[in-house]
Amino acid sequence: DTAVSQTPKYLVTQMGNDKSIKCEQNLGHDTMYWYKQDSKKFLKIMFSYNNKELIINETVPNRFSPKSPDKAHLNLHINSLELGDSAVYFCASSYSGGAGDTQYFGPGTRLTVL
Amino acid sequence: AQSVTQPDIHITVSEGASLELRCNYSYGATPYLFWYVQSPGQGLQLLLKYFSGDTLVQGIKGFEAEFKRSQSSFNLRKPSVHWSDAAEYFCAVAPPANDMRFGAGTRLTVKP
Repeated sequence: DTAVSQTPKYLVTQMGNDKSIKCEQNLGHDTMYWYKQDSKKFLKIMFSYNNKELIINETVPNRFSPKSPDKAHLNLHINSLELGDSAVYFCASSYSGGAGDTQYFGPGTRLTVL
Repeated sequence: AQSVTQPDIHITVSEGASLELRCNYSYGATPYLFWYVQSPGQGLQLLLKYFSGDTLVQGIKGFEAEFKRSQSSFNLRKPSVHWSDAAEYFCAVAPPANDMRFGAGTRLTVKP
């Protein structure tokens, strides 16, 4: 059974479009995250949610809006896509969001904006 | 400034040779320390982590890491590299009451 899953795995779209990426974890964890990995493999946290509540919201354009319908799901909606949004987006989860918690990552969604 | 640094962008080793990947951090207090591995096209997987206690930490896949407070380092080692170890390796730190920060990664190539 996949612990953290993301859909879709690949997403190719035109500038200006709106798209969503879905994430689900079946680990029973309370905290979920979204990371962006750029073309140089640099990994940066975007958001974290603890039990459906926003905890971390790094400096991310407000075109990016996370939504957590329940603690097992954290979706990422992106409006008005730009070329610079092209990246690999990783969802992750951890038991309680503590600093020492192991984070479990999904396989990633490669977003290409044309 | 708070940071985590992986000085080596790319390392190539021969199969069977030993490996050491470097990681240095700059934080006021000793943070939680992690090493993750990312195989091509995959998500990140935890290799090992350090909180306190014994400064030599054993992880999965035969990896170990040593915390050296005096050098603010947490280097990853493996005595004998296998071809399947070719991947991107990320050091990460999590200061208490703060979110996790990743280094820029070190890409490991294994020569036959």
